[in-house]
Amino acid sequence: GNSVTQMEGPVTLSEEAFLTINCTYTATGYPSLFWYVQYPGEGLQLLLKATKADDKGSNKGFEATYRKETTSFHLEKGSVQVSDSAVYFCALTNTGNQFYFGTGTSLTVIP
Amino acid sequence: NAGVTQTPKFQVLKTGQSMTLQCAQDMNHNSMYWYRQDPGMGLRLIYYSASEGTTDKGEVPNGYNVSRLNKREFSLRLESAAPSQTSVYFCASIVTSGKYNEQFFGPGTRLTVL
Repeated sequence: GNSVTQMEGPVTLSEEAFLTINCTYTATGYPSLFWYVQYPGEGLQLLLKATKADDKGSNKGFEATYRKETTSFHLEKGSVQVSDSAVYFCALTNTGNQFYFGTGTSLTVIP
Repeated sequence: NAGVTQTPKFQVLKTGQSMTLQCAQDMNHNSMYWYRQDPGMGLRLIYYSASEGTTDKGEVPNGYNVSRLNKREFSLRLESAAPSQTSVYFCASIVTSGKYNEQFFGPGTRLTVL
């Protein structure tokens, strides 16, 4: 079956620290992979995506590389800001109709 | 272009009461979804509609019904609310571009069942 496993949170970092949020997946075939971000009181927004192996998705300084050999899609940012405080969700789709989400990782960045 | 809209934003029900959560999208998307979000559980799919006139069960459909009223609107009904249905409910729709599908989410409905 399809599933996504994310590192447990919450994560607390100081401003300008390096961020990594781990995500691994189980899927048949060749899924598309996504990172979504949820700011307090809002719905999820797409942060970045990758549709095939070795693709690197990037947006707003965040990056993630689709690693088929390790079935991973870890989210990284070199220097986090207070405004990055949010909940981050890793997700996949195989069919394009059903999406599978991780449990989310809460990030708090302190000044 | 309002994207995906949901009503109401907040609702408190008593056990056994019924209600309908409304969702509409103005992006001409074919597929629409209802999720619930619970602490430590992430998002779980309740029902989805791949196109107007069709609906399918997701991971947690028990206790819910849906109606795809037209291409724009997809409603979620709780016939007899239970405390276990206390959650935040999100509606989403999908645009398909080649192999790539992106979901657009509404702002959510926070439901409390007493």
